[in-house]
Amino acid sequence: AQTVTQSQPEMSVQEAETVTLSCTYDTSESDYYLFWYKQPPSRQMILVIRQEAYKQQNATENRFSVNFQKAAKSFSLKISDSQLGDAAMYFCAYCDGGSNYKLTFGKGTLLTVNP
Amino acid sequence: DTGVSQDPRHKITKRGQNVTFRCDPISEHNRLYWYRQTLGQGPEFLTYFQNEAQLEKSRLLSDRFSAERPKGSFSTLEIQRTEQGDSAMYLCASSLSSGNRNQPQHFGDGTRLSIL
Repeated sequence: AQTVTQSQPEMSVQEAETVTLSCTYDTSESDYYLFWYKQPPSRQMILVIRQEAYKQQNATENRFSVNFQKAAKSFSLKISDSQLGDAAMYFCAYCDGGSNYKLTFGKGTLLTVNP
Repeated sequence: DTGVSQDPRHKITKRGQNVTFRCDPISEHNRLYWYRQTLGQGPEFLTYFQNEAQLEKSRLLSDRFSAERPKGSFSTLEIQRTEQGDSAMYLCASSLSSGNRNQPQHFGDGTRLSIL
């Protein structure tokens, strides 16, 4: 079974600084997707960024970028120029490729942004 | 795009009662998922529909749980004879399948169930 591990229960960053959240996963599949989702307090889960395993280029979305190391099964999220609105629980998630469907989530990292 | 809608937002009930939650997916999405999230944990997969067909149920989904998606539109999740351990946030998500590639799942706000 696939597993997703987030080893940092909590992280903090100063506003405008850069922070990196870690994620490792375990799978025997070669075709899969990896995601970072953001869940603000009492609000819905929002997709931050997605990486397809067959793509070597790291995904980027504005201030958010990933470092995807397929051989090491590592998928970290870098948030640049952190903003107060980035404060949330961040979940790393895995999904088999092809016609598969279900997401396997890590336990999450609570990010605090200090003004 | 009105997003995924879940109702109610919060449900408080006594142990042993039955509860039913509703999820309205994004209109063009053919896939619908239910997850359960307990405090301090990431969401865990419960079940999944492709149109009206329920294609997989997790072992987390005991026989007290039943989900339906009539006509492939909205879905309901019913829990019978609720137990303390059922207290959690129940999340619904939807996505559009495109050939054999799955599109990202969009989540609703969730229904928080509290068992007294």
